[in-house]
This record gives sequence, C-alpha cells and structure tokens, in this order.
Amino acid sequence: AQSVTQLGSHVSVSEGALVLLRCNYSSSVPPYLFWYVQYPNQGLQLLLKYTSAATLVKGINGFEAEFKKSETSFHLTKPSAHMSDAAEYFCAVSASGNRDDKIIFGKGTRLHILP
Amino acid sequence: DTGVSQNPRHKITKRGQNVTFRCDPISEHNRLYWYRQTLGQGPEFLTYFQNEAQLEKSRLLSDRFSAERPKGSFSTLEIQRTEQGDSAMYLCAGRGESPNSPLHFGNGTRLTVT
Repeated sequence: AQSVTQLGSHVSVSEGALVLLRCNYSSSVPPYLFWYVQYPNQGLQLLLKYTSAATLVKGINGFEAEFKKSETSFHLTKPSAHMSDAAEYFCAVSASGNRDDKIIFGKGTRLHILP
Repeated sequence: DTGVSQNPRHKITKRGQNVTFRCDPISEHNRLYWYRQTLGQGPEFLTYFQNEAQLEKSRLLSDRFSAERPKGSFSTLEIQRTEQGDSAMYLCAGRGESPNSPLHFGNGTRLTVT
C-alpha cells in the first residue's frame, strides 16, 4: 500500500524567497507522484507529476520537484515566491504499473506568503 | 477548467435525509473517482470506477454510502440517513487510460448536515 507524509501543515515564506514544501512517500513498488494545488474556494489543480522519465520535474507557475529514491522524497520547490502562490498544496502517490490503483493524498501544506 | 462538472455545488440537508450528488467527467476519462475532503485535510479516497465497474470501495465508507456509474459516463454518489459527520466537500475526479494519468478534479459538492 502507498502512503504520503507532508511535513509541516503550514509554511510561511517571504515574497521573493525560496519555497520548499516537503513530501515523503511510502510505496512497495516504483511510484507515480503528483503535486496538486488548491486555491481558496477552488478545486484541486495538477501542478506536476513524476512518472519515472526524469527525476527533476517542472510544473506550472514556476514550480518543480525532484524525485529522490534514496530518500523516498518528492519535495516541491520554487525559487522565488509570489503572493499568488498562497494556497494549499497536496502531494499524492500511486503505484506505477498498476493502472487500477488509486491515488493517495497527503494531508496538505498551507503556504503563506509574507509581504 | 478540467471539464469535470459536479452538481450541486452546495447542499444543505437535515440529519436523517438522503442526498445524491452527480459528477459528469469528460468522455476520455474511463476511470472516475470519488473523494471526501474535510477542513484542513487532504482528499480521502472513497471509491472508484473503471467504466461502469466499481473496482474499489474504501473500508471507511459505511453502508449508507453508495455510488453508481451507469453506462460508464456520469456517476452519482448517494448518502442515506445523513449524519452531521457526513458534512464535507465531496470531490469527483476523472482519469485517463494511462497508468500515469493524473486525476482531473471537479469543483466539488459541499454538503452541510444540520
């Protein structure tokens, strides 16, 4: 079975500073990994996904994430935070090679941007 | 816009009443998922379909919950004899054929049980 742990339910960074949101996964098989963002009163939107093609994945809005198998991590980063990045971010995992598998979500990290 | 439509957007009901939600995915989504999200939590898996077949149902889902996807198109989620603990956002997501396809979420139905 797969699981996801997101460290830090709230993260605050200053505008222009580096954003780092942490995600660690557990999976008995090679995983597919996803990051989603949820803006206030909106649905979940896909930021990026890892599907084993490349360990560094670039997504929308300047975000990227790096898959590190040795650390079972898939942390999300952005070099320079914007006020518009304030939202809740969810890491998710599913088992690769099994098209019938469900996607499991972490509890989320709320990102606050300080002016 | 993911093209996944959920109705209604909001539902307020009294405890003990039955409610039904509808989800319309896009035609390419042969897989359809239902999740529940409460404040401060991530989406919690409820059940999913591949075409019209319901392949998995969460053990967290009581017998009061039932879902259908007739003809492999739209889906409905029914909650019978609602309880205050059922208050949550109910999310529907479509997913393509490929194993690495992501979920495409609708905007959800917010249920409030009074």
